[in-house]
Amino acid sequence: QKEVEQNSGPLSVPEGAIASLNCTYSDRVSQSFFWYRQYSGKSPELIMSIYSNGDKEDGRFTAQLNKASQYVSLLIRDSQPSDSATYLCAVNEYRRGGADGLTFGKGTHLIIQP
Amino acid sequence: DTEVTQTPKHLVMGMTNKKSLKCEQHMGHRAMYWYKQKAKKPPELMFVYSYEKLSINESVPSRFSPECPNSSLLNLHLHALQPEDSALYLCASSQARGGEGEQYFGPGTRLTVT
Repeated sequence: QKEVEQNSGPLSVPEGAIASLNCTYSDRVSQSFFWYRQYSGKSPELIMSIYSNGDKEDGRFTAQLNKASQYVSLLIRDSQPSDSATYLCAVNEYRRGGADGLTFGKGTHLIIQP
Repeated sequence: DTEVTQTPKHLVMGMTNKKSLKCEQHMGHRAMYWYKQKAKKPPELMFVYSYEKLSINESVPSRFSPECPNSSLLNLHLHALQPEDSALYLCASSQARGGEGEQYFGPGTRLTVT
């Protein structure tokens, strides 16, 4: 049984600062890792995917993966009030040679203070 | 274009009703998913279709019946639901590439069972 752990927060960060979100997972065969942003009452929106160890940058977002430590993180630089949302960490594993569903963490509620 | 559409946006049904949720994608994805999300909880996987065949059923009660008429469409037929089935039902799609494949979510159908 895969488990994905996140601190539920809320995590409060001043506008313009770096927000750091963390996630750990229990299943060593997990292969793909994703960060979704979910605004209240809306569906999850994919913001980052990462498949190999190291850093991946996309605009103000950087995802970091360390498979040995079973740890994935998301950094948001120059945080804006519009970044206030719940951030869901999700993992996927190769199963039965085809598509597989995602296992989500409980999400971290991020608040950017103006 | 990473668009998944879902209809209806909202649905209220009684416990004796039969209704269907619909999902459509035109990204050429060959994997489609149903998730259920209760308030303040992460999405939970219900079903996975890969190349129009049901590949994963996460022990979902038979009152939920999925159907994949073609590679672009996914339905969820509902019958004799319980009030605890009230939730946001999310459809997603991805390339069926084993453990990889970014999943894109539709806006969801908010279901209320009375």
